[in-house]
Amino acid sequence: NAGVTQTPKFQVLKTGQSMTLQCAQDMNHEYMSWYRQDPGMGLRLIHYSVGAGITDQGEVPNGYNVSRSTTEDFPLRLLSAAPSQTSVYFCASSDTLLGNTEAFFGQGTRLTVV
Amino acid sequence: KNEVEQSPQNLTAQEGEFITINCSYSVGISALHWLQQHPGGGIVSLFMLSSGKKKHGRLIATINIQEKHSSLHITASHPRDSAVYICAVRSETSGSRLTFGEGTQLTVNP
Repeated sequence: NAGVTQTPKFQVLKTGQSMTLQCAQDMNHEYMSWYRQDPGMGLRLIHYSVGAGITDQGEVPNGYNVSRSTTEDFPLRLLSAAPSQTSVYFCASSDTLLGNTEAFFGQGTRLTVV
Repeated sequence: KNEVEQSPQNLTAQEGEFITINCSYSVGISALHWLQQHPGGGIVSLFMLSSGKKKHGRLIATINIQEKHSSLHITASHPRDSAVYICAVRSETSGSRLTFGEGTQLTVNP
């Protein structure tokens, strides 16, 4: 049981480049989400999904796109990278159908935009 | 004011000491999570609680719903406990969405 798998672990981008952060979970969880973690701040929600085909914006969605074509996968796309998107990104999942349940996190992606 | 406030922000202890990290929140919640993040590593869930107290090994988490306050205690602390400890809440109206505190950096010296 792999839990939440997030790739890549590290990435350096030039301003204006695009890329996709991958996130997959094998626990059949309905709820998946992407967060960014910046110094001096708590994790902030970028986008989330409550099931396949359903996505919604979080606190800081600008510059990011998501899709949820399957229950397992929830990729995060940076459309045109900016230095302000330098951050550590975490994907998480939980099972909403059982009410309040444990959240599972990926290992994180450290992204630097130069 | 953040919905979730943690204290202290930084904590240094000697091995063997009893440690307490506090979390206060301002909204009605359905659950509170304590998470641990090691340097360069991912985030793991330590506890999820909605009332009372939970214990796992040397870790104890308590919550007082009326006072909107939770504490994480570590007994007989060890250098391997050094990590960032994060409090997160699910509000009554936000479904599965979590709101996070800024974290408490704990360093335990040998």
